[in-house]
Amino acid sequence: GQQLNQSPQSMFIQEGEDVSMNCTSSSIFNTWLWYKQEPGEGPVLLIALYKAGELTSNGRLTAQFGITRKDSFLNISASIPSDVGIYFCAGQLEAQKLVFGQGTRLTINP
Amino acid sequence: KAGVTQTPRYLIKTRGQQVTLSCSPISGHRSVSWYQQTPGQGLQFLFEYFSETQRNKGNFPGRFSGRQFSNSRSEMNVSTLELGDSALYLCASSPSGGLYGYTFGSGTRLTVV
Repeated sequence: GQQLNQSPQSMFIQEGEDVSMNCTSSSIFNTWLWYKQEPGEGPVLLIALYKAGELTSNGRLTAQFGITRKDSFLNISASIPSDVGIYFCAGQLEAQKLVFGQGTRLTINP
Repeated sequence: KAGVTQTPRYLIKTRGQQVTLSCSPISGHRSVSWYQQTPGQGLQFLFEYFSETQRNKGNFPGRFSGRQFSNSRSEMNVSTLELGDSALYLCASSPSGGLYGYTFGSGTRLTVV
């Protein structure tokens, strides 16, 4: 089935550093979504992107929908301890189905 | 506003048994999707229901089935459990079939022994 290539798989950073992660696909998507998952919980939606080229921010988070519709990136500025978790990208072509990346595990050293 | 509620949170079953998981979506949400999450395969789409009709299905064997009731609550059933069915099963709801993203529940952790 469809797969998204998400990188990096894990990141170890110092508090205060900026973070960047991205997703690429061989298929186009109409929507890109970024989720964060913490232990014992389901994914929580961070940012939704609906248009190629769109750049959207949510506080310290910024995400972009690639112009080719086959990629997206997420940046986190000035990381803080509560940013720890696993970040997932998800692409949506059909309205009912999300295709997820494998996740980026973010660890922050205070 | 209550979120997506999944019950039970944890479940241990024996190979060959069947299991039913329940999901109550956010009030007013008519679309419910189910995903399986494992360390090896990540998050995989199982199926989606809207107004009691299955609209989309992932690549899972027929042992995995689901249904949605008139109040939008959904259940998924796995028959003849295998060890590989051990996973976190996540339910997600949306008001309009996913156009504005899905809200996930905390999941049901199923362990098959």
